[in-house]
Amino acid sequence: DAGVIQSPRHEVTEMGQEVTLRCKPISGHDYLFWYRQTMMRGLELLIYFNNNVPIDDSGMPEDRFSAKMPNASFSTLKIQPSEPRDSAVYFCASSFLAETQYFGPGTRLLVL
Amino acid sequence: AQSVAQPEDQVNVAEGNPLTVKCTYSVSGNPYLFWYVQYPNRGLQFLLKYITGDNLVKGSYGFEAEFNKSQTSFHLKKPSALVSDSALYFCAVREGYSGGGADGLTFGKGTHLIIQP
Repeated sequence: DAGVIQSPRHEVTEMGQEVTLRCKPISGHDYLFWYRQTMMRGLELLIYFNNNVPIDDSGMPEDRFSAKMPNASFSTLKIQPSEPRDSAVYFCASSFLAETQYFGPGTRLLVL
Repeated sequence: AQSVAQPEDQVNVAEGNPLTVKCTYSVSGNPYLFWYVQYPNRGLQFLLKYITGDNLVKGSYGFEAEFNKSQTSFHLKKPSALVSDSALYFCAVREGYSGGGADGLTFGKGTHLIIQP
């Protein structure tokens, strides 16, 4: 199994631009999670899905952030418009029956 | 609300010596506990978990952890450290199903483990 796949691995953009991060979970997993890692706040849960349905988005920082999961094999996290304080590493993770979560390599986002 | 505390930002151990990375947790119901390791510029790798059963859990790369309910702790241990164990270690918790809690993980701040040759 290829594990959780995230793209792009690195993204540099200018403030105000739209950013889209992508994730392909492990085949057969029914949960998908988006986390953000920063030096100041550590690892934070942003949103998670069960069977493609958003269950808890209370960690999404503001309306500029949105996430979708159109099918079991694909999810996106979108930031529009982006701001410098959004600079972080964004991780996607997936699990089966909400037990062990397996993480992707992350997307390192820098907003100038 | 659930929380995790990793009291040490950094732990230094000589190669070949035993190591311990500390973790305490707070959760309303029964805890599901996890340890992950992160190498520079990499994602988090799963090491081990406690869901139920034996309090001593064995995981990858010779690591183990002991669940202590009375002390609400889940310390990570290894009998003999290797230089290649140097990395950032995260403890995480979520409520078990009996607690009716959310499914996302709450992570500690992480502990840098440095193994000196």
